[in-house]
Amino acid sequence: QVQLVQSGAEVKKPGASVKVSCKASGYTFTSYYMHWVRQAPGQGLEWMGIINPSGGSTSYAQKFQGRVTMTRDTSTSTVYMELSSLRSEDTAVYYCAAYRYYDSSGYYENWGQGTLVTVSS
Amino acid sequence: SSELTQDPAVSVALGQTVRITCQGDSLRSYYASWYQQKPGQAPVLVIYGKNNRPSGIPDRFSGSSSGNTASLTITGAQAEDEADYYCNSRDSSGNHLDEVFGGGTKLTVL
Repeated sequence: QVQLVQSGAEVKKPGASVKVSCKASGYTFTSYYMHWVRQAPGQGLEWMGIINPSGGSTSYAQKFQGRVTMTRDTSTSTVYMELSSLRSEDTAVYYCAAYRYYDSSGYYENWGQGTLVTVSS
Repeated sequence: SSELTQDPAVSVALGQTVRITCQGDSLRSYYASWYQQKPGQAPVLVIYGKNNRPSGIPDRFSGSSSGNTASLTITGAQAEDEADYYCNSRDSSGNHLDEVFGGGTKLTVL
């Protein structure tokens, strides 16, 4: 079955960077685009961006342009999300989610378990 | 980017029917998908496409859409349905790869 396993919790200081990994298994890695979604404490879900595991192309939400980089390693079926210039407002749980297309739309059937990133001095 | 608007909170009596709505311009072009999230857990897909349920999701969950509004209906709500519900769709403005989430609806089962 499809599994997305993310790296563990991180604590970072303001201004630092964090890199979260998401290892996929149970399916052909290049079959599904991977998205990153974050959730600040007590807040809703926020879409961050997408990476095509096949060619590595990306698209980021305007809010994160210039601060986020998504990459992949096809040899290990792993995608990465790096967020730089961290500030306290970036404290959140970060999720990877595999995206499936359906009739010009899509959905996230599989999610990682989430990675808590805490930004604190 | 597009926006999806949800009521912050909705309540329903045990066994009754509740509808959770999601409004946005992108819903005129794309289907919404719906996610249930319980405290401390990752979101779980409950509805996608016109009205499709993944395996394991009870048939009391259904979806519908009209114009710029998508709806998630729970017919005969159970105590275990108490959770936050989020709608999601492709973003119809800007980059065609972008996605957008609604702000979420907290469902209380009385």
